[in-house]
Amino acid sequence: GAVVSQHPSRVICKSGTSVKIECRSLDFQATTMFWYRQFPKQSLMLMATSNEGSKATYEQGVEKDKFLINHASLTLSTLTVTSAHPEDSSFYICSLRVRGSSYEQYFGPGTRLTVT
Amino acid sequence: AQSVTQLDSQVPVFEEAPVELRCNYSSSVSVYLFWYVQYPNQGLQLLLKYLSGSTLVKGINGFEAEFNKSQTSFHLRKPSVHISDTAEYFCAVSSNQAGTALIFGKGTTLSVSS
Repeated sequence: GAVVSQHPSRVICKSGTSVKIECRSLDFQATTMFWYRQFPKQSLMLMATSNEGSKATYEQGVEKDKFLINHASLTLSTLTVTSAHPEDSSFYICSLRVRGSSYEQYFGPGTRLTVT
Repeated sequence: AQSVTQLDSQVPVFEEAPVELRCNYSSSVSVYLFWYVQYPNQGLQLLLKYLSGSTLVKGINGFEAEFNKSQTSFHLRKPSVHISDTAEYFCAVSSNQAGTALIFGKGTTLSVSS
């Protein structure tokens, strides 16, 4: 299967600062990228979807000005948590869909964000 | 829109016993169904998927699942579990329309003890 990397794997930041998380596909072109958030012992909640050539579409309840998503290229997506607060502490997971596939999603290993 | 209900939040079993993790879905369109496993502090690993065709699908690590359209279910089974199967299991659904994301159930914690 395809390989997806996320960087950093863990980050601790102070309240009020911004954090950028990178998601890269290492061996394929991703036409659709997804960002999920997972709170401890809970399921993955879809935050936003971005398709090639268009802006991200955010799920209801997700603040687009707080969680900035940039689909920079077919191999890179970034999630920036702006003015982070302790309640933003979570496990953030990106997922990519391969060009030509209508269903296959490959997941990154996740980024653990802790806001103090 | 699609939704997924995992009927058991926790399933404790003894080693070498059979296990079934239950999953029901709701959708107004045709769907694809998936089971993922997540070990502590790790990402998701695909166990198996149903796209079309045979309703019994086999996956990795000895797991299998059966798609039942009339009951809108996709239960995961393993005839004999190991300690190493202890993990969180997620059922997921997506429509067969391009660009739609996977929607996950709340997860089932499988705890295997000796």
